[in-house]
Amino acid sequence: GAVVSQHPSWVICKSGTSVKIECRSLDFQATTMFWYRQFPKQSLMLMATSNEGSKATYEQGVEKDKFLINHASLTLSTLTVTSAHPEDSSFYICSASLRGRGGMTDTQYFGPGTRLTVL
Amino acid sequence: AQTVTQSQPEMSVQEAETVTLSCTYDTSESDYYLFWYKQPPSRQMILVIRQEAYKQQNATENRFSVNFQKAAKSFSLKISDSQLGDAAMYFCAHISNFGNEKLTFGTGTRLTIIP
Repeated sequence: GAVVSQHPSWVICKSGTSVKIECRSLDFQATTMFWYRQFPKQSLMLMATSNEGSKATYEQGVEKDKFLINHASLTLSTLTVTSAHPEDSSFYICSASLRGRGGMTDTQYFGPGTRLTVL
Repeated sequence: AQTVTQSQPEMSVQEAETVTLSCTYDTSESDYYLFWYKQPPSRQMILVIRQEAYKQQNATENRFSVNFQKAAKSFSLKISDSQLGDAAMYFCAHISNFGNEKLTFGTGTRLTIIP
């Protein structure tokens, strides 16, 4: 249980184009979804928090117009990198929160990640 | 703000031996949760173990166990009978139980298993 998928796993695009990444919770309804960015040999950096039907909350320094997040349902969130440039090349990871039972806090389960290369 | 510190960038252990990864954290809250996540070369983040701060008993999951010292704000991970498949980056993480669902990660420890 608690499986999160992410698509595509790897994408190469030209500078100036937009890329959409999908994150799905396959066997549960997620209370919240999160988008992270990970640079080589570094930890995960939270980009934004997303709740179904409401606007995403972006972390300081993350451009909301460049990284568009849509949370269409309790099982699907998308991240669109608009007008991508080489500096946007990175590994993007989503996670989905599974609500804990009996008052336990949510646990985040992660997707397999998307490697974005902008030429 | 919460911080999580992993002071060991790299660790290595002989196959079948035991290794302990260190983690300390700083928080002003009394109710929170701690996690260890594993990131193998595939880069898939995998939940290894979780600990509720209000529980004194240390969490265990098969060969993985933690030593949770709340007063010292320490949360180490012990891996027994190390296997080649345990080779990965290990991240310690903290989350508050007061509505802020953000995970705070440590910088990670790269674990190498020596055959």
